[in-house]
Amino acid sequence: AQTVTQSQPEMSVQEAETVTLSCTYDTSENNYYLFWYKQPPSRQMILVIRQEAYKQQNATENRFSVNFQKAAKSFSLKISDSQLGDTAMYFCAFMNHQGAQKLVFGQGTRLTINP
Amino acid sequence: NAGVTQTPKFRVLKTGQSMTLLCAQDMNHEYMYWYRQDPGMGLRLIHYSVGEGTTAKGEVPDGYNVSRLKKQNFLLGLESAAPSQTSVYFCASVGRRYNEQFFGPGTRLTVL
Repeated sequence: AQTVTQSQPEMSVQEAETVTLSCTYDTSENNYYLFWYKQPPSRQMILVIRQEAYKQQNATENRFSVNFQKAAKSFSLKISDSQLGDTAMYFCAFMNHQGAQKLVFGQGTRLTINP
Repeated sequence: NAGVTQTPKFRVLKTGQSMTLLCAQDMNHEYMYWYRQDPGMGLRLIHYSVGEGTTAKGEVPDGYNVSRLKKQNFLLGLESAAPSQTSVYFCASVGRRYNEQFFGPGTRLTVL
């Protein structure tokens, strides 16, 4: 069974700073997807960025980028020029390429951006 | 498109009562899921369905039942609610050839 671990329960940075959230996972599969979801106080789950394991290039979405290290089974999220609206819970998640496309989530990191 | 909707948004039950949570999606997705979210534990899969008329157990299925009689609806039932089932419940769906799950807004359930 796959597991996802987020070792930082809480983080806090100043507005405009860069912050990196850590995620490690364990799997014996070779093809899979990794995701970062954002959950603001509204509780809605919002997809931030996704990475396909067979792609070596790290995914980027505007101010959000990942550092995907397949051999180390590490998948960190970097937020550049952080904004107050980035304050939220962030969840790392794993999905097998084959099968029922179930998501396995990490415990989450509560990120606070201070003005 | 409404996407994924959940009914109700909030509910308070007494121990032993029963209830059904309804999830509906209008994206013609084949796969649907029920997760629960507890503090410090992320989201955990309760049950899921890969098509109309089929269901399967997830990581934490005990105390719950599900049904998928129509492709667009996925129901989660609690036959005899317990305080340990106090949680926020999320429904999600995804198309078979895609990988992005779309989530509903969640249902906050409190069992006293």
